[in-house]
Amino acid sequence: DADVTQTPRNRITKTGKRIMLECSQTKGHDRMYWYRQDPGLGLRLIYYSFDVKDINKGEISDGYSVSRQAQAKFSLSLESAIPNQTALYFCATSDRGGPQETQYFGPGTRLLVL
Amino acid sequence: DQQVKQNSPSLSVQEGRISILNCDYTNSMFDYFLWYKKYPAEGPTFLISISSIKDKNEDGRFTVFLNKSAKHLSLHIVPSQPGDSAVYFCAASVRVIYNQGGKLIFGQGTELSVKP
Repeated sequence: DADVTQTPRNRITKTGKRIMLECSQTKGHDRMYWYRQDPGLGLRLIYYSFDVKDINKGEISDGYSVSRQAQAKFSLSLESAIPNQTALYFCATSDRGGPQETQYFGPGTRLLVL
Repeated sequence: DQQVKQNSPSLSVQEGRISILNCDYTNSMFDYFLWYKKYPAEGPTFLISISSIKDKNEDGRFTVFLNKSAKHLSLHIVPSQPGDSAVYFCAASVRVIYNQGGKLIFGQGTELSVKP
Protein backbone atom coordinates (compact mmCIF):
# COMPACT_ATOMS: atom_id res chain seq x y z
CA ASP A 1 0.00 0.00 0.00
CA ALA A 2 1.19 3.48 -0.87
CA ASP A 3 2.29 5.63 2.07
CA VAL A 4 1.17 8.89 0.44
CA THR A 5 -1.96 8.80 -1.66
CA GLN A 6 -3.58 11.48 -3.76
CA THR A 7 -7.10 11.69 -5.13
CA PRO A 8 -8.10 12.11 -7.83
CA ARG A 9 -5.19 11.02 -10.03
CA ASN A 10 -6.58 12.88 -13.01
CA ARG A 11 -9.08 15.70 -13.22
CA ILE A 12 -10.52 17.84 -15.98
CA THR A 13 -12.44 20.93 -14.96
CA LYS A 14 -13.66 24.17 -16.44
CA THR A 15 -12.57 27.72 -15.77
CA GLY A 16 -14.28 29.16 -12.71
CA LYS A 17 -15.04 25.84 -11.06
CA ARG A 18 -13.99 25.08 -7.49
CA ILE A 19 -12.07 21.86 -7.07
CA MET A 20 -10.31 20.06 -4.26
CA LEU A 21 -7.33 17.76 -4.42
CA GLU A 22 -6.85 15.45 -1.48
CA CYS A 23 -3.79 13.93 0.11
CA SER A 24 -3.59 11.23 2.76
CA GLN A 25 -0.56 9.66 4.38
CA THR A 26 0.05 6.66 6.59
CA LYS A 27 3.67 7.52 7.42
CA GLY A 28 2.78 9.29 10.65
CA HIS A 29 4.64 12.40 9.54
CA ASP A 30 3.80 15.79 10.96
CA ARG A 31 4.82 17.88 7.97
CA MET A 32 2.96 17.99 4.69
CA TYR A 33 3.46 19.96 1.49
CA TRP A 34 1.75 20.75 -1.80
CA TYR A 35 3.80 21.33 -4.97
CA ARG A 36 3.00 21.86 -8.59
CA GLN A 37 5.16 20.75 -11.50
CA ASP A 38 5.18 22.59 -14.79
CA PRO A 39 7.30 21.75 -17.85
CA GLY A 40 10.61 23.60 -17.69
CA LEU A 41 9.99 24.92 -14.17
CA GLY A 42 10.52 21.94 -11.91
CA LEU A 43 8.51 21.66 -8.69
CA ARG A 44 7.32 24.77 -6.88
CA LEU A 45 5.96 24.89 -3.34
CA ILE A 46 2.35 26.06 -2.97
CA TYR A 47 1.62 25.56 0.75
CA TYR A 48 3.08 23.60 3.64
CA SER A 49 1.93 22.59 7.10
CA PHE A 50 4.04 21.51 10.07
CA ASP A 51 1.13 20.25 12.14
CA VAL A 52 -2.64 20.38 12.21
CA LYS A 53 -2.72 23.96 13.47
CA ASP A 54 0.01 25.27 11.22
CA ILE A 55 -0.41 26.49 7.62
CA ASN A 56 2.20 28.42 5.64
CA LYS A 57 2.32 29.90 2.17
CA GLY A 58 4.94 28.74 -0.27
CA GLU A 59 6.32 30.36 -3.41
CA ILE A 60 3.10 30.37 -5.43
CA SER A 61 0.07 30.35 -3.10
CA ASP A 62 -2.10 32.85 -4.99
CA GLY A 63 -5.30 31.21 -6.24
CA TYR A 64 -4.96 28.27 -3.87
CA SER A 65 -6.05 27.43 -0.34
CA VAL A 66 -5.40 24.45 1.89
CA SER A 67 -6.93 22.64 4.81
CA ARG A 68 -5.18 20.33 7.27
CA GLN A 69 -8.07 18.27 8.51
CA ALA A 70 -5.95 15.85 10.51
CA GLN A 71 -2.32 14.83 10.84
CA ALA A 72 -2.83 12.42 7.96
CA LYS A 73 -4.85 14.63 5.62
CA PHE A 74 -3.95 17.78 3.72
CA SER A 75 -6.19 19.07 0.95
CA LEU A 76 -5.56 21.70 -1.71
CA SER A 77 -8.39 23.80 -3.15
CA LEU A 78 -8.62 25.92 -6.25
CA GLU A 79 -11.41 28.34 -5.45
CA SER A 80 -11.96 29.41 -9.04
CA ALA A 81 -9.84 27.39 -11.43
CA ILE A 82 -8.08 29.10 -14.33
CA PRO A 83 -6.25 27.54 -17.30
CA ASN A 84 -2.75 28.44 -16.06
CA GLN A 85 -3.39 26.20 -13.06
CA THR A 86 -3.17 23.26 -15.43
CA ALA A 87 -0.27 21.27 -13.99
CA LEU A 88 0.84 18.14 -12.18
CA TYR A 89 0.26 18.49 -8.42
CA PHE A 90 2.20 16.59 -5.79
CA CYS A 91 1.65 16.16 -2.10
CA ALA A 92 4.66 15.33 0.09
CA THR A 93 5.39 14.57 3.72
CA SER A 94 8.43 14.71 5.97
CA ASP A 95 9.22 13.60 9.47
CA ARG A 96 9.80 16.22 12.15
CA GLY A 97 12.45 14.01 13.69
CA GLY A 98 14.42 13.42 10.50
CA PRO A 99 16.05 15.47 7.78
CA GLN A 100 13.25 17.73 6.71
CA GLU A 101 14.47 17.81 3.18
CA THR A 102 13.86 14.08 2.79
CA GLN A 103 10.32 14.37 1.58
CA TYR A 104 8.10 11.51 0.50
CA PHE A 105 5.92 12.28 -2.47
CA GLY A 106 2.55 11.00 -3.55
CA PRO A 107 1.96 9.81 -7.14
CA GLY A 108 0.57 13.16 -8.29
CA THR A 109 -2.70 14.55 -9.62
CA ARG A 110 -2.81 15.67 -13.22
CA LEU A 111 -5.16 18.65 -13.51
CA LEU A 112 -6.45 20.16 -16.73
CA VAL A 113 -8.40 23.41 -16.58
CA LEU A 114 -10.29 24.17 -19.78
CA ASP B 1 14.38 34.11 -10.81
CA GLN B 2 15.52 30.50 -10.92
CA GLN B 3 17.81 29.91 -7.91
CA VAL B 4 18.50 26.30 -8.88
CA LYS B 5 19.14 25.54 -12.53
CA GLN B 6 19.53 22.38 -14.53
CA ASN B 7 20.51 23.59 -17.94
CA SER B 8 20.30 20.26 -19.74
CA PRO B 9 16.69 19.16 -20.25
CA SER B 10 17.80 15.75 -21.44
CA LEU B 11 20.76 13.38 -21.50
CA SER B 12 21.26 10.12 -23.36
CA VAL B 13 23.87 7.60 -22.25
CA GLN B 14 24.83 4.07 -23.23
CA GLU B 15 24.33 1.30 -20.68
CA GLY B 16 27.46 0.71 -18.62
CA ARG B 17 28.84 4.20 -19.19
CA ILE B 18 28.88 7.11 -16.78
CA SER B 19 25.95 9.52 -16.55
CA ILE B 20 26.75 13.02 -15.30
CA LEU B 21 23.89 15.32 -14.41
CA ASN B 22 24.66 18.92 -13.57
CA CYS B 23 23.06 21.57 -11.41
CA ASP B 24 23.96 25.21 -10.72
CA TYR B 25 22.66 27.45 -7.97
CA THR B 26 22.81 31.14 -7.25
CA ASN B 27 21.93 31.47 -3.56
CA SER B 28 25.07 31.21 -1.44
CA MET B 29 22.88 30.59 1.64
CA PHE B 30 21.97 27.10 0.42
CA ASP B 31 23.70 24.59 2.67
CA TYR B 32 22.05 21.31 1.80
CA PHE B 33 21.56 19.75 -1.60
CA LEU B 34 19.60 16.77 -2.78
CA TRP B 35 18.82 14.76 -5.87
CA TYR B 36 15.39 13.31 -6.50
CA LYS B 37 14.48 10.81 -9.18
CA LYS B 38 11.11 10.63 -10.88
CA TYR B 39 9.60 7.90 -13.04
CA PRO B 40 6.53 8.62 -15.20
CA ALA B 41 3.22 8.48 -13.33
CA GLU B 42 5.03 8.44 -9.98
CA GLY B 43 6.08 11.06 -7.49
CA PRO B 44 9.73 12.03 -7.03
CA THR B 45 11.78 9.82 -4.72
CA PHE B 46 14.80 10.88 -2.70
CA LEU B 47 18.08 9.61 -4.14
CA ILE B 48 21.09 11.18 -2.44
CA SER B 49 22.06 14.35 -0.58
CA ILE B 50 25.09 16.35 0.45
CA SER B 51 25.78 18.96 3.07
CA SER B 52 27.71 22.08 2.12
CA ILE B 53 30.49 21.08 4.54
CA LYS B 54 31.34 18.18 2.24
CA ASP B 55 32.45 18.04 -1.36
CA LYS B 56 31.49 14.45 -2.11
CA ASN B 57 28.96 11.89 -1.01
CA GLU B 58 28.73 8.39 -2.38
CA ASP B 59 26.00 5.77 -2.22
CA GLY B 60 26.58 2.71 -4.34
CA ARG B 61 26.52 3.67 -8.01
CA PHE B 62 25.54 7.24 -7.18
CA THR B 63 27.96 10.00 -6.22
CA VAL B 64 27.20 13.66 -5.73
CA PHE B 65 29.95 16.25 -6.00
CA LEU B 66 29.68 19.78 -4.67
CA ASN B 67 31.84 22.71 -5.78
CA LYS B 68 30.84 25.61 -3.56
CA SER B 69 33.12 28.16 -5.16
CA ALA B 70 31.48 27.48 -8.52
CA LYS B 71 28.02 27.01 -6.98
CA HIS B 72 27.78 23.77 -8.88
CA LEU B 73 26.86 20.22 -8.06
CA SER B 74 26.76 17.11 -10.14
CA LEU B 75 25.38 13.60 -9.88
CA HIS B 76 27.44 10.75 -11.28
CA ILE B 77 25.89 7.37 -12.00
CA VAL B 78 28.38 4.59 -12.67
CA PRO B 79 27.68 2.26 -14.34
CA SER B 80 24.44 3.51 -15.85
CA GLN B 81 21.61 1.01 -16.21
CA PRO B 82 18.40 1.15 -18.29
CA GLY B 83 16.40 1.28 -15.03
CA ASP B 84 18.07 4.60 -14.26
CA SER B 85 16.09 6.20 -17.08
CA ALA B 86 14.01 8.85 -15.34
CA VAL B 87 13.80 12.58 -14.67
CA TYR B 88 16.32 13.78 -12.10
CA PHE B 89 15.67 16.88 -10.04
CA CYS B 90 18.30 18.79 -8.15
CA ALA B 91 17.06 20.59 -5.01
CA ALA B 92 18.53 22.89 -2.39
CA SER B 93 17.58 24.21 1.03
CA VAL B 94 18.79 26.61 3.69
CA ARG B 95 19.17 24.69 6.91
CA VAL B 96 19.91 27.69 9.05
CA ILE B 97 16.15 28.09 9.04
CA TYR B 98 15.81 24.45 9.97
CA ASN B 99 12.85 25.10 12.18
CA GLN B 100 11.04 26.14 9.05
CA GLY B 101 11.94 22.77 7.70
CA GLY B 102 11.92 21.18 4.33
CA LYS B 103 11.60 24.21 2.09
CA LEU B 104 13.18 22.86 -1.01
CA ILE B 105 13.98 24.82 -4.14
CA PHE B 106 13.97 22.54 -7.16
CA GLY B 107 15.67 22.73 -10.51
CA GLN B 108 13.81 22.16 -13.75
CA GLY B 109 14.82 18.53 -14.06
CA THR B 110 16.96 16.54 -16.52
CA GLU B 111 15.51 13.54 -18.32
CA LEU B 112 18.07 10.74 -18.44
CA SER B 113 17.75 7.99 -21.02
CA VAL B 114 20.04 4.98 -20.66
CA LYS B 115 20.09 2.91 -23.82
CA PRO B 116 20.86 -0.84 -23.77
